[in-house]
This record gives sequence, structure tokens and C-alpha cells, in this order.
Amino acid sequence: NAGVTQTPKFQVLKTGQSMTLQCAQDMNHNSMYWYRQDPGMGLRLIYYSASEGTTDKGEVPNGYNVSRLNKREFSLRLESAAPSQTSVYFCASSGHQTSTSNQPQHFGDGTRLSIL
Amino acid sequence: GNSVTQMEGPVTLSEEAFLTINCTYTATGYPSLFWYVQYPGEGLQLLLKATKADDKGSNKGFEATYRKETTSFHLEKGSVQVSDSAVYFCALSANYKLSFGAGTTVTVRA
Repeated sequence: NAGVTQTPKFQVLKTGQSMTLQCAQDMNHNSMYWYRQDPGMGLRLIYYSASEGTTDKGEVPNGYNVSRLNKREFSLRLESAAPSQTSVYFCASSGHQTSTSNQPQHFGDGTRLSIL
Repeated sequence: GNSVTQMEGPVTLSEEAFLTINCTYTATGYPSLFWYVQYPGEGLQLLLKATKADDKGSNKGFEATYRKETTSFHLEKGSVQVSDSAVYFCALSANYKLSFGAGTTVTVRA
């Protein structure tokens, strides 16, 4: 049962470098999400994709871009990494959301990213 | 906007003690409420959910009741085990997105 798979699990970057975090899900879910987790702040939504072909900004989108490559894959790109982007990044997916049906999200194990 | 407030930790308990983690929310419309658990080095796992007022979610001995009148969704377990040591997140789902509380770290001692 793979569920949501994130790669890499760990990464160290220098300030100004670029990087793409990969996420894939095998549950045929329509919606996918990227979060960052920082101590004492819970999870904050960076970007989400409600369905294939659409992406929208979340709470903290600055400094990031995303691509919904197909229904399975949703990548997160840091174009010019900054120390403030040091965090643990989680990808999640869920079934189709509607205004009256809020499906639970399934999470990957995270990518621990350090920016020096 | 939507927000979730949960009790600050850390919480340290002895095995077989009673656990309560308070969670209150602010939302418009009819949100669904969730508790997620995160074990060390892992992602979040859904622990339980409730989709409407007065619903009780339960799983692995944990329970939480959706109280619309007090806008609360407190998590309880009657007898904790060492294996329940984790970070617990209360979350609200509305308008296609999840809003999380800051998380409560729970440590259970043998």
C-alpha cells in the first residue's frame, strides 16, 4: 500500500539553489496538496490542486511554484531557496471535494529540507 | 476565515491515564472536523472524523464529539499506552481546504 510517496526524504541546499520536490499518489484521488510544517505552527497550505489541470495558492505560496503533471503527480519547486524555507514539506491527496463533502486527506512521510 | 485552536503541549502522562486534548474552531458554513496523529519521523495519519453536529468519531480507543453549540471537538482516550506518544492535530475542512491547529505533543511514560 504505497499511498502518497514523496521524494527525496532529506535534502540540504545552499541559498539560491533550486529544487523540485516530487509527490505521487496511487489512490486515484482528484485533489492534491502541498504543506509545510514548522514548529508550533501546525501545517500551512502552500498550494493545492483541486483536480488535474488546476492549481491554486494556499496560505503561504510565496517562493514556490507547483505543477500538476497528471492525476497521480504533483510537484513543488523552489526556484531560489532561502533559509526561511527550511521546513518539513508534506504532500497530501484526497478524493473529490465538494461544498458538502469534505474528504479526509492522506499524507506522505514528508521531505526534510534544510537551506544553508 | 476558518481557524482551529488546540491546547498547547507538551502533555506528559503515565500509562493508563486519561487523556483530553481540547480543540475549538471558528468557521462559516458546515465544516467537517478531524483529528490527525503524527508519529516521530512520519506523516500525518487520520485518527478520526466527524462530518456534522453531534457526530462522534472514534478509533483506537480515541473519541471526539462535534459540538456545534460550543464549536469544539475535544479528543479523549480513557487509558493511554506508551504507543500513543505522538503529536495530535485538530483540523477543520471547509471550502475544499484543511485548516490545522498547531499540534499537541503527547508523551506517555511506562
